[in-house]
Amino acid sequence: AQSVAQPEDQVNVAEGNPLTVKCTYSVSGNPYLFWYVQYPNRGLQFLLKYITGDNLVKGSYGFEAEFNKSQTSFHLKKPSALVSDSALYFCAVRDITGTASKLTFGTGTRLQVTL
Amino acid sequence: DAGITQSPRHKVTETGTPVTLRCHQTENHRYMYWYRQDPGHGLRLIHYSYGVKDTDKGEVSDGYSVSRSKTEDFLLTLESATSSQTSVYFCATRDSSGNTIYFGEGSWLTVV
Repeated sequence: AQSVAQPEDQVNVAEGNPLTVKCTYSVSGNPYLFWYVQYPNRGLQFLLKYITGDNLVKGSYGFEAEFNKSQTSFHLKKPSALVSDSALYFCAVRDITGTASKLTFGTGTRLQVTL
Repeated sequence: DAGITQSPRHKVTETGTPVTLRCHQTENHRYMYWYRQDPGHGLRLIHYSYGVKDTDKGEVSDGYSVSRSKTEDFLLTLESATSSQTSVYFCATRDSSGNTIYFGEGSWLTVV
């Protein structure tokens, strides 16, 4: 079975500074990896995904993520944080066995960006 | 986004009563999912569907049932609601060729 770990419940960063939200995964085969963002009282919004190819994946709102197979990590990054980036971030891995390709989520990391 | 509408968006119900949550999608996606979100647990899969009348259990399916009689609708039923089922429920969809799963806005359920 696959699993995802987000080791930090909360990350605090000042606006304008770079941010990193950590994610590690465990799967038996090749991973399909995703990041989603959730704003208060809203659903999850897709940010970016890694399926294959370049290890650096670029997504929405200036976010990017780096896939590292040897470290089984998929950390979310942004060069310059904005207050509006404050939200709950989820990493997820896709189970490609079976027919439905289910997602398994981490427990989430709350990002707080302050002025 | 995949045009996903969940109803009701908010509901308070009493222990022991049945509750049905509805998910409606307009994109003709084959796959549909129900997740619940709880603090400290992230999102956990309850049930999913890979076609009309084709459903299967997820990791937290006890106390829940689902039905999919049309491509666009996926119903989640709590047969006899319990306080442990107080949660936020999210519907999600994916088409056959895509890799991305898209989420609805959520249904907040409180069981008192």
